[in-house]
Amino acid sequence: QVQLVQSGPEVKKPGASVKVSCKTSGYTFTSYGISWVRQAPGQGLEWMGWISPYSGNTHYAQRLQGRVTLATDPSTSTVDMELTSLRSDDTAVYYCARDRHGRYGSSWPEYWGPGTLVTVSS
Amino acid sequence: DTVMTQTPLSLSVTPGQPASISCRSSQSVLETDGMTYLHWYLQRPGQSPQLLIYEVSRRYSGVPDRFSGSGSGTDFTLKISRVEAEDVGVYYCMQGRTFGQGTKVEIK
Repeated sequence: QVQLVQSGPEVKKPGASVKVSCKTSGYTFTSYGISWVRQAPGQGLEWMGWISPYSGNTHYAQRLQGRVTLATDPSTSTVDMELTSLRSDDTAVYYCARDRHGRYGSSWPEYWGPGTLVTVSS
Repeated sequence: DTVMTQTPLSLSVTPGQPASISCRSSQSVLETDGMTYLHWYLQRPGQSPQLLIYEVSRRYSGVPDRFSGSGSGTDFTLKISRVEAEDVGVYYCMQGRTFGQGTKVEIK
C-alpha cells in the first residue's frame, strides 16, 4: 500500500532554513508526482509546489518562488522540501502528497502524508 | 491566478439531513484537453486531507455514495445526501493547484 512518512517536527528561528523529508513506499517512485501543501494554524490549505520524480521538473507557487526547493532522492524514494529565509508566518503543518498521475497539468494530490509541524519563533 | 470561492464557510447540519457546498471559480476551469480538474477534499479534525471527489463528479475509492459532486464551467457543488457524524470536518475544493478557503461542517 502507498505510504508517505514525513520527518519530525522542527523549531527554527526567523531567517533560518528548514528541510522536511517525505519517504515514500508501496509504488513505483518515478511514476507519480509529489505535491507539497501547507496549513498555518487554524487556516486553510496552501499549495506550495510539485516535483516529478521521473524528470526532476518542478513547479512552485509564485508567492514562494525563490524560497522553496523540492528535490528527490530516487535511491531512497524520498522527496525533500527546503524552505529558506523563514518568517513567523511560515509556521504551519507541511504535507507531502502523492499525485494521482505523473503529469503536472492533469493531476492532483491523492495520498497524503501525516504532516510535519514547522514552528518559526525567536 | 484562479481564485476559488466556497460558500458557505460553515454549516451546521442535523444528522440525516442533506448538505450542500458551493465552489465558484474566478474563471472557467475547463482545460484544453476537455477535462475539468475540480476536486473535493475532506479534512477531519486532526487528520490529513483525504480525497473525496475528483474531476467534478467521480467518487474516490471507498467514499460513500451519499457524497456527490456536480457542476461545470465556474460553478461546482458538493452534496451530502444524508449527513452522518463522521462527515464533520472542513471541506475544500481544489482546481489546478488552488484550494478554496474551506467549509467547516458541524453536526447539530
